[in-house]
Amino acid sequence: QQQVKQSPQSLIVQKGGIPIINCAYENTAFDYFPWYQQFPGKGPALLIAIRPDVSEKKEGRFTISFNKSAKQFSLHIMDSQPGDSATYFCAALSWGGKLIFGQGTELSVKP
Amino acid sequence: DTAVSQTPKYLVTQMGNDKSIKCEQNLGHDTMYWYKQDSKKFLKIMFSYNNKELIINETVPNRFSPKSPDKAHLNLHINSLELGDSAVYFCASSLQTTGGNQPQHFGDGTRLSIL
Repeated sequence: QQQVKQSPQSLIVQKGGIPIINCAYENTAFDYFPWYQQFPGKGPALLIAIRPDVSEKKEGRFTISFNKSAKQFSLHIMDSQPGDSATYFCAALSWGGKLIFGQGTELSVKP
Repeated sequence: DTAVSQTPKYLVTQMGNDKSIKCEQNLGHDTMYWYKQDSKKFLKIMFSYNNKELIINETVPNRFSPKSPDKAHLNLHINSLELGDSAVYFCASSLQTTGGNQPQHFGDGTRLSIL
């Protein structure tokens, strides 16, 4: 119940494509769902986040879609660029500030 | 101006040794965390402290002992290092523990390798 399941494990798209990363959770007590971006040798950096009372949030080229009834949420990257190549993690906030992370998706955007 | 800084960046040591990793944040945050990222890049929380008080201890072996001298610092001491402790350890901080508007800011990690 404390898990967040993320797919796919890896993703390759051409420049300009729209990669989509999906996550699912079980615990309805989660109330905050951030996405983190991690480059090699660096720590995860917050990209965008959403609360479950909102169905969509957009920041620049990044959009989160949230389906509360299905307990699923996804990240879409519009007009993807080679500089977006990184590992992406979805997460859910649990009690005490504990972030439960998905397994990560390694995205490669080909020029 | 590094927000969350960890030292050292790399740590290579023998099995059985004791080592420490230091973390400092200059964001004025009340809460600090330690996460472990394994070889498959899976991130899992280990501990959190709020204003020097332990909040989360996520069934981590007793060999791991966090210490928070003040709310800007959270160090991690590891006794009797084992091969399975090889991982990247990340420190993070947030303004508070609750509330979705309190994002966690991560350091760049300490890569621990046990020989």
